[in-house]
Amino acid sequence: QKEVEQNSGPLSVPEGAIASLNCTYSDRGSQSFFWYRQYSGKSPELIMSIYSNGDKEDGRFTAQLNKASQYVSLLIRDSQPSDSATYLCAVNWDAGGTSYGKLTFGQGTILTVHP
Amino acid sequence: DGGITQSPKYLFRKEGQNVTLSCEQNLNHDAMYWYRQDPGQGLRLIYYSQIVNDFQKGDIAEGYSVSREKKESFPLTVTSAQKNPTAFYLCASRAAPLEEKLFFGSGTQLSVL
Repeated sequence: QKEVEQNSGPLSVPEGAIASLNCTYSDRGSQSFFWYRQYSGKSPELIMSIYSNGDKEDGRFTAQLNKASQYVSLLIRDSQPSDSATYLCAVNWDAGGTSYGKLTFGQGTILTVHP
Repeated sequence: DGGITQSPKYLFRKEGQNVTLSCEQNLNHDAMYWYRQDPGQGLRLIYYSQIVNDFQKGDIAEGYSVSREKKESFPLTVTSAQKNPTAFYLCASRAAPLEEKLFFGSGTQLSVL
């Protein structure tokens, strides 16, 4: 059973701080990793994807991947109240597009950014 | 605007009743998916379809059925065999075999009366 685990929340940070969200996965063969943001009662939206070891930055968001340790993280710099949401880590197990988009999701971490 | 439309937004099921959730996309995507989300949980895959007239079971297909008669439509039926149907149901689509980004609809909240 392939599993994706996220650090238990909820996570509360003050406005302007760095929020750190972590995710571990069970299968070393995993190839693609995604972070989705989901506001309450809404559908998930993709905010970051990462495929190679190291860091990937996009605005205030940085995704970090360490395949040897089987973890992926998301850092949100200068956190804003509008960042308050549930963040879902998702993993695609197969390479080369053969997984047919069958992502395995973690349970999500609720982030609250307070003014 | 292109997107995925799910309806209804809220749905109530009576004991022993089958209900159908609609999912329509105008993105011209080949692949479509149904996920279920329980409170405090991640998304779990119910069924997926890569092309018209073809679909496969996901991780939790029992008690559900789908059809894919048209490229743009992928309805999900929650049958009476699904004993715990209360959840948030999300439909998603994907552009191509090598395009991994999923586009999600706005979801249907199904509750049992």
